[in-house]
Amino acid sequence: DAKTTQPPSMDCAEGRAANLPCNHSTISGNEYVYWYRQIHSQGPQYIIHGLKNNETNEMASLIITEDRKSSTLILPHATLRDTAVYYCIVRVGYSGGGADGLTFGKGTHLIIQP
Amino acid sequence: DARVTQTPRHKVTEMGQEVTMRCQPILGHNTVFWYRQTMMQGLELLAYFRNRAPLDDSGMPKDRFSAEMPDATLATLKIQPSEPRDSAVYFCASGLGDRGLGLAGTRGETQYFGPGTRLLVL
Repeated sequence: DAKTTQPPSMDCAEGRAANLPCNHSTISGNEYVYWYRQIHSQGPQYIIHGLKNNETNEMASLIITEDRKSSTLILPHATLRDTAVYYCIVRVGYSGGGADGLTFGKGTHLIIQP
Repeated sequence: DARVTQTPRHKVTEMGQEVTMRCQPILGHNTVFWYRQTMMQGLELLAYFRNRAPLDDSGMPKDRFSAEMPDATLATLKIQPSEPRDSAVYFCASGLGDRGLGLAGTRGETQYFGPGTRLLVL
């Protein structure tokens, strides 16, 4: 799976948009970009994933550059409960029965300031 | 709201004792993963099953760890004998392939994590 690079920490004011960057310059054609987050003392939580198009769900938006070498996770109106470690993971999709396990890096510790 | 459940949530034991952790995946999910999280190593994949068959346990210390799926609703992770270095949070996750195919005929898969078992080996 392609290696990802994320800033170790970021701050964001409550109510503002939080933009979390991720570089994955060695991504290959069949690799997806996933975002998970881990709130303190909880299990990781799936946020969103995409292949080449921008994606949006009830939690966040994922913007993937045209060359797919980087992406940005956007939390449109951050709240204190969004304080967590955010993991960007790039991994191969699968064509058969299912995918392999996830490889987590160190992630970005996002701190939402009141 | 379907969730992955894990028991026990906390376990304190003495070195040399057997530890068994249990996981109930989300009903209908065909893949179960075991991860371990420590301050030093972060989140690491230990093993995973698909349709109850073990696919990969290369992340697991073979001499003391074992993982099984007696049936589709139960996955177990055992440590025997336990050692202080096994102290960690152990997460179970389950998954089901997403619909639709993307580039090169592949698809993504979302994993849903349980709350974890916090293990302390004294």
